[in-house]
Amino acid sequence: EPEVTQTPSHQVTQMGQEVILRCVPISNHLYFYWYRQILGQKVEFLVSFYNNEISEKSEIFDDQFSVERPDGSNFTLKIRSTKLEDSAMYFCASIQWAGANVLTFGAGSRLTVL
Amino acid sequence: AQSVTQLGSHVSVSEGALVLLRCNYSSSVPPYLFWYVQYPNQGLQLLLKYTTGATLVKGINGFEAEFKKSETSFHLTKPSAHMSDAAEYFCAVTPGSQGNLIFGKGTKLSVKP
Repeated sequence: EPEVTQTPSHQVTQMGQEVILRCVPISNHLYFYWYRQILGQKVEFLVSFYNNEISEKSEIFDDQFSVERPDGSNFTLKIRSTKLEDSAMYFCASIQWAGANVLTFGAGSRLTVL
Repeated sequence: AQSVTQLGSHVSVSEGALVLLRCNYSSSVPPYLFWYVQYPNQGLQLLLKYTTGATLVKGINGFEAEFKKSETSFHLTKPSAHMSDAAEYFCAVTPGSQGNLIFGKGTKLSVKP
């Protein structure tokens, strides 16, 4: 069963530091997503990415966040200067084509900002 | 705009008892509806989905859900709970075939022996 792989599984960082979360989507998938889940809250959409550009982003996805697919396999989420409120579980997801409507999620990366 | 409300952040049932997890949605267009399950330290796994057609959909592990447009509901049920069903369950909606998933807050299911 193909799966979405995320690294690291857990990262602890100091406030103000840059963090990069990595994801390897399923190889024949074309659309990529980041979601986050603050402890005890709902899973929230951050950004979607297709054809090497952002296709949609939420209000949460401000200038501190960026995404890229640097090498055709990894899909990364960068937080430039982390804040305490960025502490959350970050999920990567991918989908083969837009109408397929079933996202495959990774296991998540837990980010703790101190 | 789409939204999802899951009633009850925590549901506890005895092994063998009926599982009922409630989900209500709002959507300005015909929705696609999903239930995802999250086991401890794992990602979100699709349980079942409703897109079009039959309103009663069956998923993995004996779960099913019924889309009721008149009640704007998509409740998840399983006739007999098993210890391995203990997990967090998320209802989600997307507007039609495209668009991004909007999740509910999740319901944590505990199963007592």
